[in-house]
Order: sequence, then C-alpha cells, then structure tokens
Amino acid sequence: GEDVEQSLFLSVREGDSSVINCTYTDSSSTYLYWYKQEPGAGLQLLTYIFSNMDMKQDQRLTVLLNKKDKHLSLRIADTQTGDSAIYFCAESRGNYGGSQGNLIFGKGTKLSVKP
Amino acid sequence: DVKVTQSSRYLVKRTGEKVFLECVQDMDHENMFWYRQDPGLGLRLIYFSYDVKMKEKGDIPEGYSVSREKKERFSLILESASTNQTSMYLCASSGTEAFFGQGTRLTVV
Repeated sequence: GEDVEQSLFLSVREGDSSVINCTYTDSSSTYLYWYKQEPGAGLQLLTYIFSNMDMKQDQRLTVLLNKKDKHLSLRIADTQTGDSAIYFCAESRGNYGGSQGNLIFGKGTKLSVKP
Repeated sequence: DVKVTQSSRYLVKRTGEKVFLECVQDMDHENMFWYRQDPGLGLRLIYFSYDVKMKEKGDIPEGYSVSREKKERFSLILESASTNQTSMYLCASSGTEAFFGQGTRLTVV
C-alpha cells in the first residue's frame, strides 16, 4: 500500500546543514511536500516540489527529488535553534484528481538543533 | 494572509458526548480535510470534502461523520465520543497547496 517513511530523529549543531530524508511509494504522486510543526502548533507548509522536478531551492531550503528511487530530501542550510521542530514529508495521493490536501504523511522527523 | 481557523485549541469532553469540531477557511478552496495526529502514528486522514455537501471517507472514518453545508466551513462530528478518540485534530484546505489550522487537542474522559 501507500506509505511514506522517514527517520524519527535528527540532531545537528547550530550553523551546520541538516538533511532530512524521506521515501515514498506512490509513483503517481503529483506533488511532494515538506511541513514543519513546532510544539503545540499546526502544520506549516515549508515547501513543495512538483513530481517532474529534480530540485527546488528556496532561501535556506533545498529539496531534492529522485523519482527513480522515490526518495525526497530536505536540506536546511545554516541550521538555527529556531529550526528545531518536527518535519513531515507528505505525498499527494495520485488517484484523487489533483486534490492536493489529500496527503499521505510520514511519521515526522524531530530535528534538534544544539547551540 | 491565508487562514484556516479551528474553533477550539483545547477541548475536554465526556465519554458518550456528541462533539463538534469546526473549521473555517477564507481561501475559497473547494477541498477540505480532517486529519488526526497521534504519537507514533503521524497524521491520518479521517474524512475529506471536495465540494459543498460532498464528503468522502479517508483512512479512518469509523466513529466520525462530517458536514459541509457551506464552502468555507467543514465540521467534524464525533457522534458518541470515546477515550480512543483523544487526539490532536487538524483541519486543512487546499488548492495547489494544503494549509492547516492550528489544531484542536481533544481529550475524552
């Protein structure tokens, strides 16, 4: 069945780069997303990539997509303590005609940034 | 600024009560969604709606129903709350991007 996998924890030092990895199974997904969740808050859309792209850069964020391996990564450059949060990878379900909120989420990667 | 607003941040209800969770969006989106988030399980889709008065079951619809009488409002209903419905509930609406509300943390005692 459809599934999204990501590691549960990542710890980095302030100023380093963070790389959060994700694998997904539905090759018909149109969009792939990264969301950030801070404690006690809802999900904040960080960025997304269309399935026919290999890379997308947005300020400190770089998303890489390897469609052949169904692998998605999020790189955060110059990681700050304010980046500490849970990061969710999500894929759109390919069989709902572009309804982009119908998402399959990974279980989230908790990023801890040490000063 | 786009906004998805959930009516309550925290709710405590008793077992057997009928519970309404309300969600309003101001982006004129046709698609709206209800998820629940549980530790170790991530986010799971309960129900979604792609138009007024339309609804579709998600992955875990049992024990829930929904109502979409107006485009901007999508309500999640727990007909008879049970303790295993204690969770964080997240509403979303979408066009190209999906935007989430702040969540409602529901405790059923």
